[in-house]
Amino acid sequence: DQQVKQNSPSLSVQEGRISILNCDYTNSMFDYFLWYKKYPAEGPTFLISISSIKDKNEDGRFTVFLNKSAKHLSLHIVPSQPGDSAVYFCAALTTDSWGKLQFGAGTQVVVTP
Amino acid sequence: SQTIHQWPATLVQPVGSPLSLECTVEGTSNPNLYWYRQAAGRGLQLLFYSVGIGQISSEVPQNLSASRPQDRQFILSSKKLLLSDSGFYLCAWHSGGGYGYTFGSGTRLTVV
Repeated sequence: DQQVKQNSPSLSVQEGRISILNCDYTNSMFDYFLWYKKYPAEGPTFLISISSIKDKNEDGRFTVFLNKSAKHLSLHIVPSQPGDSAVYFCAALTTDSWGKLQFGAGTQVVVTP
Repeated sequence: SQTIHQWPATLVQPVGSPLSLECTVEGTSNPNLYWYRQAAGRGLQLLFYSVGIGQISSEVPQNLSASRPQDRQFILSSKKLLLSDSGFYLCAWHSGGGYGYTFGSGTRLTVV
C-alpha cells in the first residue's frame, strides 16, 4: 500500500525556469514531510522539510508547499540549475513512528541548457 | 561530526549465496538505524529499523534479516539470495532530535 505517491516519474525543465514537483499522500496521520535529492549510485541527501502545522517553508531556491486538505505537497525550485538534475523523493512520517519514513517512487528531474 | 559508513559499494553474488552488508555510524550514540532498498524503477522501501542494540523490526516479509550487535552497527544478511534481492541498499540513521535521515552511500547488489 503506497501511502506516498509521486505520479510524475520524470520532469524536464529549462535552465533558469521553475521546476515543480508534486506529491500526494493518503495517510492523514502524517505530520511531517521531507524532500530528498538523489544522484545515481549515491545515498539521498536531505533537501527541505515541512511540518503539518505550516503550509509553506522556504530555503534559498527551494520552497515546499503543503495543502493538508488536499493531502498534497509540492516542491518548487527557482531558478532551476543543471546541478539540480537528480531524482527527487517525497517522504512523510508520523512523528510517533520511530522516524519511519515512507517514500514516494521519485521524480527524475532533467534540467536542460 | 556524524558520519555513516556503508560497504561494499557494489556486489555481484550468485543466486543461493549468502549476503552480509554492514553499516556503521560515527559521532553519535543510540541512533535509530534503518535499511532501505531501492529496486529498479521504484522508490525507497523500508526493510528494517532498529531503535537499540538487539532490537529489530521488519517492515516487509522477505528472505533478508537484520542484526544490531553494537550500538552503531547495523548488518543486513541473507542465507540464500534470490534474483529479486537485486537492488540498491541504503543504510540510514537519525538521532531522534529531528526527522531528516542521514543516508549512507549505498550498496548496489546484483544477484546473478
